[in-house]
Amino acid sequence: AQRVTQPEKLLSVFKGAPVELKCNYSYSGSPELFWYVQYSRQRLQLLLRHISRESIKGFTADLNKGETSFHLKKPFAQEEDSAMYYCALMRGNAGNMLTFGGGTRLMVKP
Amino acid sequence: DAGVIQSPRHEVTEMGQEVTLRCKPISGHNSLFWYRQTMMRGLELLIYFNNNVPIDDSGMPEDRFSAKMPNASFSTLKIQPSEPRDSAVYFCASSLGPGESGVGTDTQYFGPGTRLTVL
Repeated sequence: AQRVTQPEKLLSVFKGAPVELKCNYSYSGSPELFWYVQYSRQRLQLLLRHISRESIKGFTADLNKGETSFHLKKPFAQEEDSAMYYCALMRGNAGNMLTFGGGTRLMVKP
Repeated sequence: DAGVIQSPRHEVTEMGQEVTLRCKPISGHNSLFWYRQTMMRGLELLIYFNNNVPIDDSGMPEDRFSAKMPNASFSTLKIQPSEPRDSAVYFCASSLGPGESGVGTDTQYFGPGTRLTVL
C-alpha cells in the first residue's frame, strides 16, 4: 500500500530564512509526486510536480528514490508563503488518484 | 471559468438526517474525485469517477455514504443517516483524466469545499 508522511504539522520560520518541508513516501512502484498548497481563504492548488523539475514561487523539490523523499525547499521564505502544504503521491497504474500526506502548516514570521 | 463548483458551502444538520453535497466539475474534465478532510485523518480520497463511472470507491467509509455522477457536469455525495463523526470538510476535484496526453493533464483542480457539521 502507498503512504505519504509529512512529519511536521507546523513549521515556523522567520522571513528570509531557508525552508524545508519534509515528505517521505512508501510505494513499491514508480511514483509521481506533487506538492499542493492551500493559502488562507483559497482553494487547494497544485504548486509543483517532480517530473517537471521546475521552480515555482522560488520552491523546488527533488525526488530522492533512495531515501523515498520529496522534500520541498525554498532558500528565502517570504510572508506570503504562509500556507498549508500537502505532499501527494500518484500511483502509476491507478488513473489520477492521489494519496495525500497529513499536511504541514508553514508560518513565516516578519 | 469559475472552476469546480460545490454547494452548499456550509451545512449544519442533526444526527440522523440525510445530507447531499453537490459538485460541478470543470467543463471538459473527465475525472472527478471526492475527498474528506479532518484534523485527525487529513485529506482522504473517498471515491474517483472517470467518464461518469465510479472507478475506485475503496475510500468510502461505510454504506451510509454513496456517490453518483449522472452526467459529466454533476456529481453528488450523499450521507444517510448522518452522524457527528461525519463532520468534516468535503472537497470535490476534477482533472482532464487518464489517457489524456501532455504535462498537467493529471492536475487536480479543487472546489472550495463544503464544511459539514452534524450535531
